[in-house]
Amino acid sequence: DQQVKQNSPSLSVQEGRISILNCDYTNSMFDYFLWYKKYPAEGPTFLISISSIKDKNEDGRFTVFLNKSAKHLSLHIVPSQPGDSAVYFCAASAWLVTASKLTFGTGTRLQVTL
Amino acid sequence: DTAVSQTPKYLVTQMGNDKSIKCEQNLGHDTMYWYKQDSKKFLKIMFSYNNKELIINETVPNRFSPKSPDKAHLNLHINSLELGDSAVYFCASSPLGQGDYGYTFGSGTRLTVV
Repeated sequence: DQQVKQNSPSLSVQEGRISILNCDYTNSMFDYFLWYKKYPAEGPTFLISISSIKDKNEDGRFTVFLNKSAKHLSLHIVPSQPGDSAVYFCAASAWLVTASKLTFGTGTRLQVTL
Repeated sequence: DTAVSQTPKYLVTQMGNDKSIKCEQNLGHDTMYWYKQDSKKFLKIMFSYNNKELIINETVPNRFSPKSPDKAHLNLHINSLELGDSAVYFCASSPLGQGDYGYTFGSGTRLTVV
């Protein structure tokens, strides 16, 4: 039962262009959505989050959009840079009284080409 | 000074052995987690501890036993290792609070059971 899905395993974008990574979820109880970036042989690094009551959050080159009715979120990176090449994980948070529990998607490998 | 450190980084062992993975965080966070990334790159929560107390225990074989001697440490002990236990295990920590706090992950322990 995969509650968070990233249907594109890979994406290739030219440097300077926009990268759009997509994520779908099924559980309406998720209260926050997050994006993580992962380089090989390293742990995931937190990138940006959005509350379920908002539809957009921006941080520099990174913007996350949330469409609750479609249960869909996306991460936009503008402009894309070669250093952005990594695996991006979408995650959704559910509050469990004393802690949050993150459920991850399977990741999208982004390659930014020169 | 590493925020979340795991040891060892690589672990190769034979079936049937017992092994431990150690995790320490110096961020002052209240909550620590163990995640498993399997061969399909799926990151799935195993356990969560809040200030030494177990709060999340997913459907994990009881051969896996977490131990938290204090809130800065969360170790994972695995008995009678099986081939299917081969994976990358990530430790993470977060402040107590809502899910918009990004987890801080360690760099992972790649366990190979032969």
